[in-house]
Amino acid sequence: QITLTQQAESLWVSPGEKVSITCRASQSLLYTDGKHYLSWYQQRPGQTTKALIYHASIRTDGVPTRFIGSGSGTEFTLSIEDVQPEDIALYYCLQTLKKPYTFGAGTKLELK
Amino acid sequence: QVQLQQSGAELVKPGTSVKLSCKASGYTFTSNHMNWIKQTTGQGLEWIGIINPGSGGTSYNVKFKGKATLTVDKSSSTAFMQLSSLTPEDSAVYYCARLEYTTDRALFDYWGQGVMVTVSS
Repeated sequence: QITLTQQAESLWVSPGEKVSITCRASQSLLYTDGKHYLSWYQQRPGQTTKALIYHASIRTDGVPTRFIGSGSGTEFTLSIEDVQPEDIALYYCLQTLKKPYTFGAGTKLELK
Repeated sequence: QVQLQQSGAELVKPGTSVKLSCKASGYTFTSNHMNWIKQTTGQGLEWIGIINPGSGGTSYNVKFKGKATLTVDKSSSTAFMQLSSLTPEDSAVYYCARLEYTTDRALFDYWGQGVMVTVSS
């Protein structure tokens, strides 16, 4: 199965700063259609899990432009520019290239 | 609007089974496959399996074969997951999540609120 590694368990950030969360895959997530099957999710306490990014870099409807997905092959990044207090959450990457679908271990964004 | 409403928390005894539900609304139930995911503090998020509500066809993570059984009731737009032979290691929060998988999109676009299952004597 494909392993996704999110090395940072926690990241501390102040409001207004930029933060980057990385996700490394054990094999390329590029499919023959030219798309990467990597998506990002946000979990906030008391709220349903929210999809942020799919195909590595495309924001889902309504996601603020400060959320930026990038990367290719096996290395992917979710960047949050101008972090807002409501961005304090758990963030996960997910690959849907091959079953079993697999998640990264998660990165907790915390306030300094 | 799309909603996935999961059943309430369960406290169950070891060795028994539990059946969780996920009622879908706001879209055509048979148009999207449904995933089930396990979340624990120690293991994070684990994909259990997926069901095609239209055909009833399923695919399981080998880790959960024999543990989880996925079914649907099309008449009520509800997906179910039965967990059998429960042990304390099955204590977790379980989510259903809709799969959007088209030529343009591939993601778990809507999630249920999660249901906590506690296995304890």
